[in-house]
Order: sequence, then C-alpha cells, then structure tokens
Amino acid sequence: DIVLTQTPLSLPVTPGEPASISCRSSQSLLDSDDGNTYLDWFLQKPGQSPQLLIYTLSYRAPGVPDRFSGRGSGTDFTLKISRVEPEDVGVYYCMQRMEFPYTFGQGTKLDLK
Amino acid sequence: VQLVQSGAEVKKPGESLRVSCSASGYPFTDYWIAWVRQVPGKGLEWVGTIYPGDSDTRYSPSFQGQVTLSVDTSVTTAYLHWNTVRASDTAIYYCARKSASYTPWGQGTLVTVSS
Repeated sequence: DIVLTQTPLSLPVTPGEPASISCRSSQSLLDSDDGNTYLDWFLQKPGQSPQLLIYTLSYRAPGVPDRFSGRGSGTDFTLKISRVEPEDVGVYYCMQRMEFPYTFGQGTKLDLK
Repeated sequence: VQLVQSGAEVKKPGESLRVSCSASGYPFTDYWIAWVRQVPGKGLEWVGTIYPGDSDTRYSPSFQGQVTLSVDTSVTTAYLHWNTVRASDTAIYYCARKSASYTPWGQGTLVTVSS
C-alpha cells in the first residue's frame, strides 16, 4: 500500500496568518499515462463528515475559498492556507487515489492560537 | 446530490449488520461509491468502493473478507454488510460519491459492537 506521511500532526495558527501542511508519499502519485497527480485534500471540521478541499493535486472543489491551494509533485505535496479563518479549524487529511487501496495521511489538526 | 446514511447501530459480537447509504440527485449507476471507516478519535481508513452500474467492487486488503459491499439500483442505495461483527468493528462508517474526487459524503453511521 502507498503510505502518506503528514507533517505536522498539530498546527496552532493565529487567525489571519498563513498555514502550511506537508504530505509525503512512499510512491509517486503522478500517472504517466494522463499526466495527473492523484493527491486530494480533505477537511474534517469538528463533529462533521470530511469535505473535499482540493483534488488532483491543485484543483479547488466547488465552493472552496481561494485562500486554499494545493501544490507539489511526485511524492511531496503541500496544502497552503493564505490566511487562516476561524472556520478553518479541524483535521486535514491528504489522500492518494493513484492505486487501490486508496490511503489517507494520519491527519493534521489545525486549531487557533 | 445527497447521500443519507442509516442510523446508529448497537450490536453484540457475532451478530450480522447492514449499513445503508441512500443516494439522490444524480444518476446512481454512473458514479462509484466508497466506504470509509473512522474509529472515534482516529483517522480515516479506506474500506472499499463499488460501481453501481455493474457492481464492480474493490476492497482494501484490510477489509477483504470482513465486509461486503453491495447496491440496490431500484432504491438507489449502497450497502455495507457484515456477516459477523466484532468489537474491533466499532467505528463511524462514511459513504462518499466519486466524481472528480470524493464528494459529497454521507453524515456517517456510528456502529458500536459490545457484549
């Protein structure tokens, strides 16, 4: 199975400040057949189901604010929040869907300072 | 597009169980549905996925043989089934539809297995 390793696991952030979460994969997530990188980001707010933020490396899901961005290549990926808002609190997960079984990172808990 | 899951379940070890995920607002047979497990307070684990169009199914090795995924297209519902539950199956189970990625997700079903 592909292993995803997220850092940090805990991220206290001052509202209005930027934040960054790293996700490293044990294998490349670049599909050489179609050129897509199959790495997605989800946010699970307290008491809620996960919600999609970013798919296929860098595409924002509908309704996701443009302060969220995804980047990276091959095996190293980053989710960036340009200015953290109070509603961004929760646990962030990366997920690979390059090959079955799809796998998730351990999660990064973002809270406010 | 909406996925509505069945309510919380409390079972004894050895009992059977079926959790449902009722889909609406889109052509049910055209999109894969996935199941994800979350032990309370822990992370997300991929259980498996099913294509309602032909019931093609892929299981995570960790869950292969432990659960069964199925669909009933007449009621646009996907199911996660256990023949025999164990205490270690205690978790929240989510369904999610695959379009570009997995969205939306159901509200989750809490399964508690305890003697």
